Amino acid sequence: ELKVEQNPLFLSMQEGKNYTIYCNYSTTSDRLYWYRQDPGKSLESLFVLLSNGAVKQEGRLMASLDTKARLSTLHITAAVHDLSATYFCAVDMGTGNQFYFGTGTSLTVIP
Amino acid sequence: KAGVTQTPRYLIKTRGQQVTLSCSPISGHRSVSWYQQTPGQGLQFLFEYFSETQRNKGNFPGRFSGRQFSNSRSEMNVSTLELGDSALYLCASGTGDMRGYGYTFGSGTRLTVV
Repeated sequence: ELKVEQNPLFLSMQEGKNYTIYCNYSTTSDRLYWYRQDPGKSLESLFVLLSNGAVKQEGRLMASLDTKARLSTLHITAAVHDLSATYFCAVDMGTGNQFYFGTGTSLTVIP
Repeated sequence: KAGVTQTPRYLIKTRGQQVTLSCSPISGHRSVSWYQQTPGQGLQFLFEYFSETQRNKGNFPGRFSGRQFSNSRSEMNVSTLELGDSALYLCASGTGDMRGYGYTFGSGTRLTVV
């Protein structure tokens, strides 16, 4: 069974600092997604990574994928309070609309 | 462009009852999948429907079932509700062509079983 692990589970960081969230998965896949979830809300798509070495950036967030290491990272640059949310990575086995989600990282940015 | 619509937004049911949740995907999307989110188990895949056929199924008991209509709208049914079924149920809409161009989630239905 595919396992997807994220770390850290909880992250408290000061505004202006940088940090990286890690997502490891246990089997071969070249499709990985990052989602954001605000409390009581649904999942908002952040990045779609579809090949080894893919790197995508949007504002203060940058995601990358290393399929050989089965690792994706979500890097936060100069954090701001608005980035406070829970971030999920999800792996797609390519069998359809079926994702295996990581445990989530709850990010709190402190002013 | 309209997003993914889930109804109802909130439900309170009693143990032993059954419930039906609805999901209307983005126009033109033929794939709808369902996920259960709980604090203890996180986000877990329930099943996926594509063109009215169940294409994938997660590890949930038979009390959880679903179907998809010709207009791609999907319903999920849970029979003989248990307290542990209390969760946020999310559906995701996609083209289903397996190219992995991302999927859009609905706002969810929060089910509380008492």
